[in-house]
Amino acid sequence: AQKITQTQPGMFVQEKEAVTLDCTYDTSDQSYGLFWYKQPSSGEMIFLIYQGSYDEQNATEGRYSLNFQKARKSANLVISASQLGDSAMYFCAMREGTGNQFYFGTGTSLTVIP
Amino acid sequence: DSGVTQTPKHLITATGQRVTLRCSPRSGDLSVYWYQQSLDQGLQFLIQYYNGEERAKGNILERFSAQQFPDLHSELNLSSLELGDSALYFCASSPRLAGVKNEQFFGPGTRLTVL
Repeated sequence: AQKITQTQPGMFVQEKEAVTLDCTYDTSDQSYGLFWYKQPSSGEMIFLIYQGSYDEQNATEGRYSLNFQKARKSANLVISASQLGDSAMYFCAMREGTGNQFYFGTGTSLTVIP
Repeated sequence: DSGVTQTPKHLITATGQRVTLRCSPRSGDLSVYWYQQSLDQGLQFLIQYYNGEERAKGNILERFSAQQFPDLHSELNLSSLELGDSALYFCASSPRLAGVKNEQFFGPGTRLTVL
C-alpha cells in the first residue's frame, strides 16, 4: 500500500483565494511526522511545514496551515491568500517513528490564476 | 538557500558511461539522503548515510553506489548509464539519524541527461 497518497494531480486557484491540497497517509506507527514541500519550476525542494503525530494543534507557518485529522489519517495543506508565486508542485511526505526513510507522495501541481 | 550544495548542476552524458554526483550537507548535518526524481516515477528514495555509514536503502539499482566521506560530503556514482536514468537527482541532509521531526533540507539537484 502507498504510504502517502495525493489524489489531486493538478489544482487551479484564483489569486488571493485559499486552496486545500489533499494528503492521506498510511502507517501503523503511533509516532510519525508529516511534512510538506514545495517544488517550483526551478526544481529545488523547499520545506514548508511540519506536523507531528502527537501535536495537539494544527501546524501553521505564515500563509500555510495543516489541517491534521489523525483519525482519518489526513494532513491537508491549506494555502491562504494565494499568490502567483505559489504556482508549483507540492509534495506531502512522512517519516515514521521507526526507520529512517522519508516517504513522498506523487505531488500536486498548483496553478494560481491572476 | 537550504545550505546543501550539489555539483554539477547539469550533466549530459552518453549511454554506458559512468558519472559521479557530489553533495555537501548543511553544516553540522550528519545524515545525507539521495533521491531520484523522474517524470514518470516521482521522488524515489535511493539511499541514506549517517556519519559515514549506510543506514537505509531504497530503490537503488545495483549499477548505482554511494558513499559518505569523513568530511561528511557524499558522492553518488552511476555506472553503465541507460536512457531511463535521465532524471533530477537530489541530495538532502538532516541533523540526526532518526526522529520524526528530522526534516530534510534539499540541495538544488543535479539534472542528468543520458543521450
